[in-house]
Amino acid sequence: AQRVTQPEKLLSVFKGAPVELKCNYSYSGSPELFWYVQYSRQRLQLLLRHISRESIKGFTADLNKGETSFHLKKPFAQEEDSAMYYCALKVRSGSRLTFGEGTQLTVNP
Amino acid sequence: NAGVTQTPKFRVLKTGQSMTLLCAQDMNHEYMYWYRQDPGMGLRLIHYSVGEGTTAKGEVPDGYNVSRLKKQNFLLGLESAAPSQTSVYFCASSSGSEQPQHFGDGTRLSIL
Repeated sequence: AQRVTQPEKLLSVFKGAPVELKCNYSYSGSPELFWYVQYSRQRLQLLLRHISRESIKGFTADLNKGETSFHLKKPFAQEEDSAMYYCALKVRSGSRLTFGEGTQLTVNP
Repeated sequence: NAGVTQTPKFRVLKTGQSMTLLCAQDMNHEYMYWYRQDPGMGLRLIHYSVGEGTTAKGEVPDGYNVSRLKKQNFLLGLESAAPSQTSVYFCASSSGSEQPQHFGDGTRLSIL
């Protein structure tokens, strides 16, 4: 069975500093990886997906199949980036998402 | 366009009581999902549906039942609530297996 691990429950950085939220997965096949974000008092929403290879709100994430990782990165964190971030995996033949435990990011002024 | 709407937003139950959580989507999505969110455990899939009249078990289905009688609605039932079911419940929908899931605002359920 597939599994997603986010080793950091809490991450705190200062505004303007680089930020990296770690995500590791275990799955024997070829997965699709996603990052979802939940801002305070807002619903969970898709931030980006690896197949799109896009940058959203300055965030990027690269799928590293060798290390089975999908870390989320941003070179200069902003206060409005403070939120709960979830990494999620979907097998290509299915529709179900497997979520990691989540990382609460706080960007301090 | 409301997207995914969950009712109620909050509820307190006593152990043994039953209740139904309603999820409604107005995007004509085929797929619908129920998750529970617990601290340190992320979101875990309870049940899901790939179309009207169909349901399937997710990761943590025990103690819950679901129904998808209409395409736009996905109901989650607790027949006999237990304190372990205290959680925040999220509903989501998607237009297909390859499409991103859209989430509701969540239902905060406390069982005493």
